[in-house]
Amino acid sequence: EPEVTQTPSHQVTQMGQEVILRCVPISNHLYFYWYRQILGQKVEFLVSFYNNEISEKSEIFDDQFSVERPDGSNFTLKIRSTKLEDSAMYFCASRVTGEGEQYFGPGTRLTVT
Amino acid sequence: GDSVTQMEGPVTLSEEAFLTINCTYTATGYPSLFWYVQYPGEGLQLLLKATKADDKGSNKGFEATYRKETTSFHLEKGSVQVSDSAVYFCALKTNAGKSTFGDGTTLTVKP
Repeated sequence: EPEVTQTPSHQVTQMGQEVILRCVPISNHLYFYWYRQILGQKVEFLVSFYNNEISEKSEIFDDQFSVERPDGSNFTLKIRSTKLEDSAMYFCASRVTGEGEQYFGPGTRLTVT
Repeated sequence: GDSVTQMEGPVTLSEEAFLTINCTYTATGYPSLFWYVQYPGEGLQLLLKATKADDKGSNKGFEATYRKETTSFHLEKGSVQVSDSAVYFCALKTNAGKSTFGDGTTLTVKP
């Protein structure tokens, strides 16, 4: 069964460093998402992406964040200058259409020290 | 805006007990409703879903019915097992595409 994959599974970085989290959505999916879950808290929407542009973003997704689909398979989330409060699990998700079922990846745990 | 409210946890039950985790929602339009499960150290797994009013989603002995009149989607299981111990998230998705999650309810099942 096709699945969304994410790399790395765990990333440790120092405050102020740039990180790039990678996702490979399911191959025929057209809509892509990033979510964040701070430890012990709810899953929060960050951004949605369709047709090579951001379609919606939350207030969390400030100028420090960016997303990109650099080729036909990867979908990346970049944090330019990480803060301690960026420590969280980051989930990528994709779906075929806007109304279709959303498939989540296993997540990348980001630890900022 | 859209929101999901789950019953506060944590919930601790003995094996074979009956489980109910309440979930109510507020949304514009006609959302689809989901329950996700997160086992310790793992990602989100879709447990079940319902896409329209009166639909019942079911999987692995869990059930939830989409109740438009009460804007609810309560999760139930007749007999829980130790292996059901996890965090359960209720979520909704509108046609806009993004999902909105509840706070999560931690379930611990003791033998």
